[in-house]
Amino acid sequence: GQNIDQPTEMTATEGAIVQINCTYQTSGFNGLFWYQQHAGEAPTFLSYNVLDGLEEKGRFSSFLSRSKGYSYLLLKELQMKDSASYLCALNDYKLSFGAGTTVTVRA
Amino acid sequence: GAVVSQHPSWVICKSGTSVKIECRSLDFQATTMFWYRQFPKQSLMLMATSNEGSKATYEQGVEKDKFLINHASLTLSTLTVTSAHPEDSSFYICSARRAQGGMNTEAFFGQGTRLTVV
Repeated sequence: GQNIDQPTEMTATEGAIVQINCTYQTSGFNGLFWYQQHAGEAPTFLSYNVLDGLEEKGRFSSFLSRSKGYSYLLLKELQMKDSASYLCALNDYKLSFGAGTTVTVRA
Repeated sequence: GAVVSQHPSWVICKSGTSVKIECRSLDFQATTMFWYRQFPKQSLMLMATSNEGSKATYEQGVEKDKFLINHASLTLSTLTVTSAHPEDSSFYICSARRAQGGMNTEAFFGQGTRLTVV
């Protein structure tokens, strides 16, 4: 199995930075996706890492270390609308999702 | 970005009846679509991979005779939940990748269908 682990919940203050970690155990994959999902809605794409290192997209950045079996999503300048579930997913053409991390942004 | 449309958004049906959910790629062709199920506060679990013009590939533990998948064209896949029971109540989501896309292309998701079986 791929044993994709994410923290269940995180809470942060508006304007702050939050880092969501994702660890996994798998023999091989093409890349790692991060998706955002609001309650009752479909996931929306945030970022994708194929190579090790940091991918930056505005307020969101994602990091991957294949040797350490580890990725994180960094959310900067948090806004209330960022309150959602964040899912990491390993890409082997089929996507295998972690359970998701629910982020609550407080004023 | 590409759009995947799923219909209906929500449905309530009686136990024992069948429900069909449609997944359409509106502005691209998708040779492969994926069907997921998500229970409250849980992750998306892949149910099956839908291949245009051929039989779907089901994940372990998913009953193919209960969850019928048809991928009749490059833009449409359907999931039919047959003889639905209350335990089938869940959020069903489809996703699709462009036919010309490679392994690293983004998967686009439909809006999801909330199924409630009473």
